[in-house]
Amino acid sequence: AQKITQTQPGMFVQEKEAVTLDCTYDTSDQSYGLFWYKQPSSGEMIFLIYQGSYDEQNATEGRYSLNFQKARKSANLVISASQLGDSAMYFCAMREVSGSARQLTFGSGTQLTVLP
Amino acid sequence: NAGVTQTPKFQVLKTGQSMTLQCAQDMNHNSMYWYRQDPGMGLRLIYYSASEGTTDKGEVPNGYNVSRLNKREFSLRLESAAPSQTSVYFCASRGQGEYNQPQHFGDGTRLSIL
Repeated sequence: AQKITQTQPGMFVQEKEAVTLDCTYDTSDQSYGLFWYKQPSSGEMIFLIYQGSYDEQNATEGRYSLNFQKARKSANLVISASQLGDSAMYFCAMREVSGSARQLTFGSGTQLTVLP
Repeated sequence: NAGVTQTPKFQVLKTGQSMTLQCAQDMNHNSMYWYRQDPGMGLRLIYYSASEGTTDKGEVPNGYNVSRLNKREFSLRLESAAPSQTSVYFCASRGQGEYNQPQHFGDGTRLSIL
């Protein structure tokens, strides 16, 4: 079974609108972390936001927020007030405590296109 | 402000050739990683090094070897390149301590095997 599932290969959003990118995960660990990365067309991987499994509040970083629903094992990324520069591939990733070097498992990504 | 530096950025090889991808980080991180990224599959872990002197296999280690030369440097070697190894390769590093520390990535190496 896939550990990280991103069901939206591609998404479109109008500039200045909000968009939600879906991520569901599968783990038997009680302690784990969820990360979102952005990969623009230039190729680099940019860290956006982190959510810990024991965090009581949803994480927020500027225009990025996480809609974390632990019981449903989902960690959706919400981007508010989309900008043209938000067009990129977005990856959800999970770090489980059982990994000895805290390695990340990535989803297959969602390609977001922001329309003017 | 270098972070994680990968060399080369691009490389074309013929089947059967060997090469080493270099990675260095200047953040004094203990853990380093090598991933490959193929279209539609996200990033998959090839090898990692939890600390200087240790290396371990990840999800897709076949056809690769690694060396943790010192705390800063972690290299990935293809002994006999195959077309299936055409991919974008990313090196990453992470420090110890807080659980919420993200991995920091290099800019990637685009490798084509003909």
